[in-house]
Amino acid sequence: EDQVTQSPEALRLQEGESSSLNCSYTVSGLRGLFWYRQDPGKGPEFLFTLYSAGEEKEKERLKATLTKKESFLHITAPKPEDSATYLCAVQTNYGGATNKLIFGTGTLLAVQP
Amino acid sequence: DTGVSQDPRHKITKRGQNVTFRCDPISEHNRLYWYRQTLGQGPEFLTYFQNEAQLEKSRLLSDRFSAERPKGSFSTLEIQRTEQGDSAMYLCASSPTPGQHNEKLFFGSGTQLSVL
Repeated sequence: EDQVTQSPEALRLQEGESSSLNCSYTVSGLRGLFWYRQDPGKGPEFLFTLYSAGEEKEKERLKATLTKKESFLHITAPKPEDSATYLCAVQTNYGGATNKLIFGTGTLLAVQP
Repeated sequence: DTGVSQDPRHKITKRGQNVTFRCDPISEHNRLYWYRQTLGQGPEFLTYFQNEAQLEKSRLLSDRFSAERPKGSFSTLEIQRTEQGDSAMYLCASSPTPGQHNEKLFFGSGTQLSVL
């Protein structure tokens, strides 16, 4: 069964304290791995898509990397506005050309000033 | 704003009542998805449409749930005889036809359902 596991469940950082969030996955065939940010009371907001091991993408203070078993979301010198839940999701190769995403439970990040 | 729009934002109902939610996707997107999210969990897939055709339904979707997308534009999700376990955020998302690295989903802000 396809599975996505995120760790830690919650992370509290001081402003400027860099860290990484982990997303490990078990799927029959990976078509893409996605990172989303979700603020309270809102829908997920797209951050990155990664398609193959070794791929990296960056956006401001965020950098996502992918291996054959896991992905990391690195946060460099975070600011309070980076506080949110970060969700990881995968698309698989089987089941037709659906864009269906399988989500992890997320990491709740709190950045204190 | 040309994002995904959902209505209502909040719905409180009594157990046993029927409720209907609406989703307006991004206009040029032909794929539309419904997800459900409970507190502390990631979104869980319910169903998806390509244009007006409902192509996939989750095994978790009971017979009390029905979704439509007439004319391939907006979509509605109806829950009949609501139960307290139906309380959740119902999220709609849309995407363009899959292509080369063109498969991300755009989510609306959701409808928060509370069943009393």
